Amino acid sequence: GENVEQHPSTLSVQEGDSAVIKCTYSDSASNYFPWYKQELGKRPQLIIDIRSNVGEKKDQRIAVTLNKTAKHFSLHITETQPEDSAVYFCAAIYNSGGYQKVTFGTGTKLQVIP
Amino acid sequence: NAGVTQTPKFQVLKTGQSMTLQCAQDMNHEYMSWYRQDPGMGLRLIHYSVGAGITDQGEVPNGYNVSRSTTEDFPLRLLSAAPSQTSVYFCASSKTGEGYTFGSGTRLTVV
Repeated sequence: GENVEQHPSTLSVQEGDSAVIKCTYSDSASNYFPWYKQELGKRPQLIIDIRSNVGEKKDQRIAVTLNKTAKHFSLHITETQPEDSAVYFCAAIYNSGGYQKVTFGTGTKLQVIP
Repeated sequence: NAGVTQTPKFQVLKTGQSMTLQCAQDMNHEYMSWYRQDPGMGLRLIHYSVGAGITDQGEVPNGYNVSRSTTEDFPLRLLSAAPSQTSVYFCASSKTGEGYTFGSGTRLTVV
């Protein structure tokens, strides 16, 4: 089955710096890669996603890159702000013909220091 | 759209009691799932469903049952609560091949 490794498990950055979180997956059939942000005591929320036919996607200060050959994808947050502090989860999803398999990474706790 | 609605938000059970956590979505999503999240930990899949009448086990199914009689509803039943089931439970739904929408969670304590 699919295995998703997420690094680092914790990350502290100064406000205004960039943060990068990386996930590696094992199943080359995975074809959709969302990222979720979970603030303390809240539900996870989808912040950005990328499909296997795309190499990069941006949305304001966040971006995701995908390297299918190396089977890894990364979340990039630029100009970090204190409100970016949260736990971030990546996921690798295989879907075909109505069947779907979702595998989450173990999470990265990001702390943005003012 | 209300999204994914979970009830109750908080629950305290005694060991051995049973209960049902409710989950409903109004987005016509085919895929629904239940996760548990222990303090400081990630998301572990309990059960999932790819459509009405179809359910399957996830990573940690023991002690839990599910059913999916309609597209909208996906209740999770705890058969005989144990302290090890103390956790936050999230229901999530999606269109196949899309990202999840999560419910607000149920914080369960078993004493």
